[in-house]
Amino acid sequence: GAGVSQSPSNKVTEKGKDVELRCDPISGHTALYWYRQRLGQGLEFLIYFQGNSAPDKSGLPSDRFSAERTGESVSTLTIQRTQQEDSAVYLCASSIHPGTSGGWETQYFGPGTRLLVL
Amino acid sequence: AQSVSQHNHHVILSEAASLELGCNYSYGGTVNLFWYVQYPGQHLQLLLKYFSGDPLVKGIKGFEAEFIKSKFSFNLRKPSVQWSDTAEYFCAVNARGAAGNKLTFGGGTRVLVKP
Repeated sequence: GAGVSQSPSNKVTEKGKDVELRCDPISGHTALYWYRQRLGQGLEFLIYFQGNSAPDKSGLPSDRFSAERTGESVSTLTIQRTQQEDSAVYLCASSIHPGTSGGWETQYFGPGTRLLVL
Repeated sequence: AQSVSQHNHHVILSEAASLELGCNYSYGGTVNLFWYVQYPGQHLQLLLKYFSGDPLVKGIKGFEAEFIKSKFSFNLRKPSVQWSDTAEYFCAVNARGAAGNKLTFGGGTRVLVKP
């Protein structure tokens, strides 16, 4: 595909509801990342997938957050029982396989999903 | 854990002025360093990156950055800005060789170039 795509572009929900955000990475990219950007702040890492390895969930802020990835394609980020502090832009990025001695591979970002919890 | 600080939250300057954005990181090991830019209404995109070799890195659109290891800094520069450089700029780092390459970002600097 041309780039990383995310859906929906915008999501407004009520406090306490569950939301699902979707990411389609660039074809052939085995690594996929989710980040969150709160208003006026930098991006915070949430979770990382690489192939069939166990995901790195070290950035998930609470057990209300979870993510899945089907093979090396689509990923969904789920937020259960949303809270107002979950309001943010959720960004997905993908890259080629990060080498064991590298980490310099460029991450390509999607347009983000803007989530507003009322 | 790594941390990144960008000292200026907002910068306003006129066209043809020189731009320098500060970035300092905190990490005891070897890092890879990145500058990303987000133009209004667009995705985050990579401006330049450093992982080894010449500490002066040149990127797209006339930007460059210098890695000064002793100062834990990776400042971004452009000698003469244009109105189209209006954007938000993010510095980021990751740990060399760590499992995965999750990025730690600074808070961003909004740059407004007046025509």
